[in-house]
Amino acid sequence: AQSVAQPEDQVNVAEGNPLTVKCTYSVSGNPYLFWYVQYPNRGLQFLLKYITGDNLVKGSYGFEAEFNKSQTSFHLKKPSALVSDSALYFCAVRDRGSTLGRLYFGRGTQLTVWP
Amino acid sequence: DTEVTQTPKHLVMGMTNKKSLKCEQHMGHRAMYWYKQKAKKPPELMFVYSYEKLSINESVPSRFSPECPNSSLLNLHLHALQPEDSALYLCASSPRVGEIGTEAFFGQGTRLTVV
Repeated sequence: AQSVAQPEDQVNVAEGNPLTVKCTYSVSGNPYLFWYVQYPNRGLQFLLKYITGDNLVKGSYGFEAEFNKSQTSFHLKKPSALVSDSALYFCAVRDRGSTLGRLYFGRGTQLTVWP
Repeated sequence: DTEVTQTPKHLVMGMTNKKSLKCEQHMGHRAMYWYKQKAKKPPELMFVYSYEKLSINESVPSRFSPECPNSSLLNLHLHALQPEDSALYLCASSPRVGEIGTEAFFGQGTRLTVV
């Protein structure tokens, strides 16, 4: 069964400091991994994805994520946080064996960046 | 045009009303999705349409009735809803169900309140 875990409900960080939002996954084969961000009362915005290749993936708004197969992790990172990064972040996974394209979401992590 | 447009943005309806949510995309995507999202929770998949045909129904109650009249349009017809159906309803699309390495594009959602 496919699943995604985001172990932290809440992450707080000061503006200008690096941030990390954690994600671990469990799939039957090699995964497709995604990060989405959601601002209040808005839809989900795509940030970045890992499909294959380089383990360090760069995405929108200065975010990046590192795929670690041995630790089954895909943590989201940013070197210097902004107050405007405060939002709800979702990690998601698709099984490569799936023909239906179903996304499995983590429970979400609320990121708060204070000035 | 890389947008998924949902209307209305907000909807308040009584338990005896009939209403419809609308979703539109002009990216040529052939897979479209309905999700339900409660506050601070991950989106829950409801329906998947592939090439205008229903591929997945996640055991959704019959008071929710999806419709895909053409490749650009997805509707969700609502009838005799319960207060617990109040949520953010998200539409998403992706190029094709089988292209699971591509990200899904989400609309801004319809905030539904059942009174």
